[in-house]
Amino acid sequence: QKEVEQNSGPLSVPEGAIASLNCTYSDRVSQSFFWYRQYSGKSPELIMSIYSNGDKEDGRFTAQLNKASQYVSLLIRDSQPSDSATYLCASNTGTASKLTFGTGTRLQVTL
Amino acid sequence: DTAVSQTPKYLVTQMGNDKSIKCEQNLGHDTMYWYKQDSKKFLKIMFSYNNKELIINETVPNRFSPKSPDKAHLNLHINSLELGDSAVYFCASSQVTSYGYTFGSGTRLTVV
Repeated sequence: QKEVEQNSGPLSVPEGAIASLNCTYSDRVSQSFFWYRQYSGKSPELIMSIYSNGDKEDGRFTAQLNKASQYVSLLIRDSQPSDSATYLCASNTGTASKLTFGTGTRLQVTL
Repeated sequence: DTAVSQTPKYLVTQMGNDKSIKCEQNLGHDTMYWYKQDSKKFLKIMFSYNNKELIINETVPNRFSPKSPDKAHLNLHINSLELGDSAVYFCASSQVTSYGYTFGSGTRLTVV
């Protein structure tokens, strides 16, 4: 069983819609959670981090964490074609530990 | 100024050769990492160094040998390259893992 799981997609949403990306994790001691955006041929770029249950908003992005359900999500409001990329979910179990990544969800925002 | 820089960006080489990838960060971070990203975009950790000390060594063939001369540099040497080594190798750094990583631009290695 993979430690961090994501649907590979592609997830296709029309421009202006809300994109909802989901991630589950298996290690209950996971403490910190991250969403990275990776454009084709580029390196991953950190867009959100979340540590506590609930929602965290930053501009058009909202990260949601539910530790009881071992579930993390990323909502992108008013999706733009420039949001088309692969979104990687990652978790870690402590301040000195590695980040474990999911396989990513490819998002396509259509005109 | 580039925060985490890797060289070379592209590397094409024949099977059996030995090659090195270099990484440097100017963020003042204490910890550096090597990750391998396969064709399916899966990022898997290989090694991690904290202030020049090896702290993570995942199940990686002995042909891969990291070296950290100081906390701002982490290099990766690969001996006897195989076709399966073809991937994108990312260097990353962090001050505290719970703040996430900053990635380098990656090195696309193609073994022919």
